[in-house]
Amino acid sequence: EPEVTQTPSHQVTQMGQEVILRCVPISNHLYFYWYRQILGQKVEFLVSFYNNEISEKSEIFDDQFSVERPDGSNFTLKIRSTKLEDSAMYFCASSETSGGRTGELFFGEGSRLTVL
Amino acid sequence: GNSVTQMEGPVTLSEEAFLTINCTYTATGYPSLFWYVQYPGEGLQLLLKATKADDKGSNKGFEATYRKETTSFHLEKGSVQVSDSAVYFCALSDKGKLIFGQGTELSVKP
Repeated sequence: EPEVTQTPSHQVTQMGQEVILRCVPISNHLYFYWYRQILGQKVEFLVSFYNNEISEKSEIFDDQFSVERPDGSNFTLKIRSTKLEDSAMYFCASSETSGGRTGELFFGEGSRLTVL
Repeated sequence: GNSVTQMEGPVTLSEEAFLTINCTYTATGYPSLFWYVQYPGEGLQLLLKATKADDKGSNKGFEATYRKETTSFHLEKGSVQVSDSAVYFCALSDKGKLIFGQGTELSVKP
């Protein structure tokens, strides 16, 4: 069964360092998302991406964050200069159609980011 | 803005017990409602959904009914199994994205 894969599963970094989280969405999907969950808190929407551009982003997704689809398969989230409060589980998701309409988002297992 | 609130966890039950996980929402309009489940070591996966008021979503013995009058979408299962141990997330659709609750951890003991 096709699945969304994320790497790394866990990354530890020093405050101020750049981090890139990678995702391989399901191959025929057109919509891509990043969500995050700070420990004990809600799963929060960060950004959605369609047709090689950001379609929506949340207030959390400030200038520190960027997304890219550098080739036909990968979808990356970059945090330019990490802060302690960026420590969270980051989930990538993809869907065939706009996820908000159907709700059928397919999620990866998540990448845990720890900022020291 | 739109939001989802779930009951606090963790919830611990014995096998074959009845499960209810409460979920209420605040939204303008009539969003679609969802339950996602995350089994240990896996990503979130869609469990069930309901797209309009009074709809009942069901899957794997789980059910939830879209109640407009109480703005609720409580998850129920008549007899839980150890394999149901997971984190359950209630969510609503909001203009092309999902808004999640904080998740409720369920632990089922044999």
